[in-house]
Amino acid sequence: EAQVTQNPRYLITVTGKKLTVTCSQNMNHEYMSWYRQDPGLGLRQIYYSMNVEVTDKGDVPEGYKVSRKEKRNFPLILESPSPNQTSLYFCASSLVAGTPYEQYFGPGTRLTVT
Amino acid sequence: GEDVEQSLFLSVREGDSSVINCTYTDSSSTYLYWYKQEPGAGLQLLTYIFSNMDMKQDQRLTVLLNKKDKHLSLRIADTQTGDSAIYFCAESIGSQGNLIFGKGTKLSVKP
Repeated sequence: EAQVTQNPRYLITVTGKKLTVTCSQNMNHEYMSWYRQDPGLGLRQIYYSMNVEVTDKGDVPEGYKVSRKEKRNFPLILESPSPNQTSLYFCASSLVAGTPYEQYFGPGTRLTVT
Repeated sequence: GEDVEQSLFLSVREGDSSVINCTYTDSSSTYLYWYKQEPGAGLQLLTYIFSNMDMKQDQRLTVLLNKKDKHLSLRIADTQTGDSAIYFCAESIGSQGNLIFGKGTKLSVKP
């Protein structure tokens, strides 16, 4: 089944404790992206990747890192999480960058930083 | 910068039509999208429209685009309780096709 998977789905952590949210797609997609969703703010793009070893900042990259060492995986790294990073995070992928290729979304990771 | 605006809530009765409106700012957007998010789930693409089109119809869904006013709407005919969800309007920007999302419209369908 074609899908985007994220792990973990739920995470509660403390300020400053490094964490990684994994994202994997099995569709051989070139383009991958991370979003955060906050009430009243909709979805905002954190980072995106056009292909392996090619990543770029989105609208809200501060406090996050990403890597794209292989095509299927695009982990999101929070080196020192803070409470303002409490949010719902979505990973997405599409066949290639550019329109109108559909972006397929993962199920989301709900992160709480205390 | 680019911005996409939507009303936050819409409530309709089952069987009525729903119309969700959206305005965007980037006149160079080539594609505009409607995504649906059901509770506890990720976003799912409903439909999209190319900027040189005025209308696109897909079963119960009708998308209208007024490029002059930068206004996009999604009409759902014969709305069902299963249509209850958050609907996001999005525009694509740049050659990378990055999406700018609106804040989402929560559609509630009353039986």
